[in-house]
Amino acid sequence: DAEITQSPRHKITETGRQVTLACHQTWNHNNMFWYRQDLGHGLRLIHYSYGVQDTNKGEVSDGYSVSRSNTEDLPLTLESAASSQTSVYFCASSDSTGANVLTFGAGSRLTVL
Amino acid sequence: GNSVTQMEGPVTLSEEAFLTINCTYTATGYPSLFWYVQYPGEGLQLLLKATKADDKGSNKGFEATYRKETTSFHLEKGSVQVSDSAVYFCALIEYQTGANNLFFGTGTRLTVIP
Repeated sequence: DAEITQSPRHKITETGRQVTLACHQTWNHNNMFWYRQDLGHGLRLIHYSYGVQDTNKGEVSDGYSVSRSNTEDLPLTLESAASSQTSVYFCASSDSTGANVLTFGAGSRLTVL
Repeated sequence: GNSVTQMEGPVTLSEEAFLTINCTYTATGYPSLFWYVQYPGEGLQLLLKATKADDKGSNKGFEATYRKETTSFHLEKGSVQVSDSAVYFCALIEYQTGANNLFFGTGTRLTVIP
């Protein structure tokens, strides 16, 4: 069965370190998204991609970067982790048919000490 | 701009009670509206959707009607079960302005007690 997989599921790191969260989908979806989920804010869009070599900034992109070198993967990198980036991160994907129903991964909980 | 406002939680109900979770939206064009559900420890999954005014989305006993006149998309269920305990997110997407991304509300946590 097709799926969307995030790793690691849990990560503890220190302020200033670089962290990369992986997202891999086997749906063959063109569109991929990264959200962060925080209490009182719901889900906020960090970055998104509509296809290979395409990346776009979302609502809360500062301090994050992504790259899209193939259809399946959209890794999220925190260049220098900050305590404000402690959150649960969700990757999602969708096809390009216009229905725009997102399929979500199970989430990655990141703690920055 | 686009935004979604949903009722503050948490909501606690007894089994078989009637559920309403309010959702209103702001959009410049004609959005599609969604309800997503997040069960404990999992990612979000689509519950139902409506793509135009007066459409009713329904799934698993849940319903929501797209009301353009009141800019609302309230979620209802006639008789909740313990297994419905989850966080519910209202969301919109607006294609016409080129905003091809979902805007989420803050989520409403529902707890159903036996």
